[in-house]
Amino acid sequence: GAGVSQSPSNKVTEKGKDVELRCDPISGHTALYWYRQSLGQGLEFLIYFQGNSAPDKSGLPSDRFSAERTGGSVSTLTIQRTQQEDSAVYLCASSTRSGNTIYFGEGSWLTVV
Amino acid sequence: QKEVEQDPGPLSVPEGAIVSLNCTYSNSAFQYFMWYRQYSRKGPELLMYTYSSGNKEDGRFTAQVDKSSKYISLFIRDSQPSDSATYLCAMSAGGTSYGKLTFGQGTILTVHP
Repeated sequence: GAGVSQSPSNKVTEKGKDVELRCDPISGHTALYWYRQSLGQGLEFLIYFQGNSAPDKSGLPSDRFSAERTGGSVSTLTIQRTQQEDSAVYLCASSTRSGNTIYFGEGSWLTVV
Repeated sequence: QKEVEQDPGPLSVPEGAIVSLNCTYSNSAFQYFMWYRQYSRKGPELLMYTYSSGNKEDGRFTAQVDKSSKYISLFIRDSQPSDSATYLCAMSAGGTSYGKLTFGQGTILTVHP
């Protein structure tokens, strides 16, 4: 597609369940990022993949959060044992290696009940 | 204290007005400065990207960076109702941390017809 694609658009899950959120970056973009946007915290960096380098995981809030990127393209963000405070919009973004322009997807709206 | 401070507004102006949006920051390592526009339930869209101090103009938008004061601004001339959105400033230190953006809280702007 032309832009960053994320799925699901909306997800309601019960507290304690695991969720997987998917991101398909813009074709040819080597860098992929996950951010979280919530009312109280604004937009926060979570994790950053650049090519084959080890990801920068410094923004992951707890060990319940993990992400992988297979084949240098699609990425999955996994949240284990979801908590109500995990309710937020999870935004994926991608850029070329030079990274001058970072494009965001529409986000996955997660509600934990 | 947050690394990036942005007045959340809301800001309400009549059509045709000049709008001034501002952010201050505390991290002197920030080298790259961006402004994003976000419509309701959409992902952030990059408006302006600047490197280091100075001005950059693109159509009705002008971005200013004053690194000595750790202050950045976005000016919107001849504002239109379609400019109504949340405006987010973002910045990064660059290098291997380029994609690790630190965002302001966002300013909600409404332009009245």
